[in-house]
Amino acid sequence: EVQLVESGGGLVKPGGSLRLSCAASAFSFTTYSMNWVRQAPGKGLEWVSSISSTSNYIYYADSVKGRFTISRDNAKNSLYLQMNSLRAEDTAVYYCARGFGANCGSVFDNWGQGTLVIVSS
Amino acid sequence: QSVLTQPPSVSAAPGQKVTISCSGSNSNIGNNYVSWYQHLPGTAPKLLIYDNNKRPSGIPDRFSGSKSGTSGTLGITGLQTGDEADYYCGTWDSRLSVVVFGGGTKLTVL
Repeated sequence: EVQLVESGGGLVKPGGSLRLSCAASAFSFTTYSMNWVRQAPGKGLEWVSSISSTSNYIYYADSVKGRFTISRDNAKNSLYLQMNSLRAEDTAVYYCARGFGANCGSVFDNWGQGTLVIVSS
Repeated sequence: QSVLTQPPSVSAAPGQKVTISCSGSNSNIGNNYVSWYQHLPGTAPKLLIYDNNKRPSGIPDRFSGSKSGTSGTLGITGLQTGDEADYYCGTWDSRLSVVVFGGGTKLTVL
């Protein structure tokens, strides 16, 4: 069974940094694109970033461009999200999701349980 | 404000049918496939429909999807109380080079 386990969330002050990780197992990690999606309290799902299987293609939402960096380590079956210059509006549950299909795998067929990031002073 | 427009809420009685619409534009739904997700707060979202009308294994045929022009539709028949959740449409936006989601629709099974 495909497993995606996020970690690294927590409480951070505005302007601070945090690095999220997603450990993948039970599938061929190197053949799938991977994604981060978030949900702020009381809000809907918001796509954050996507990375292709070989890291050749990377995309970001405008709301995080220049502040967040997505990366992956295929040898460790792991996905990362480096979040800098955090703002209160970045407070959300962050989900790791496996992608497939066209456009850097824009269909998300497996999701993790999420990790909570709170940005507050 | 979401790029894709969904009704905030829909409701129907157990056993009945409901449809949820998702309206976009030529740069997203008009030229790309639509996916649908079910999300119960506090849990991992679940893929229900991809490529407009395909169901992943394990998703019952009570769930169906369709697309016409710049709109997609999710249909759920034989409603069960366990179907109460938030439903999201999603697709790629070719002009923006981003994944876009609808604002979500809360389904209540009365």
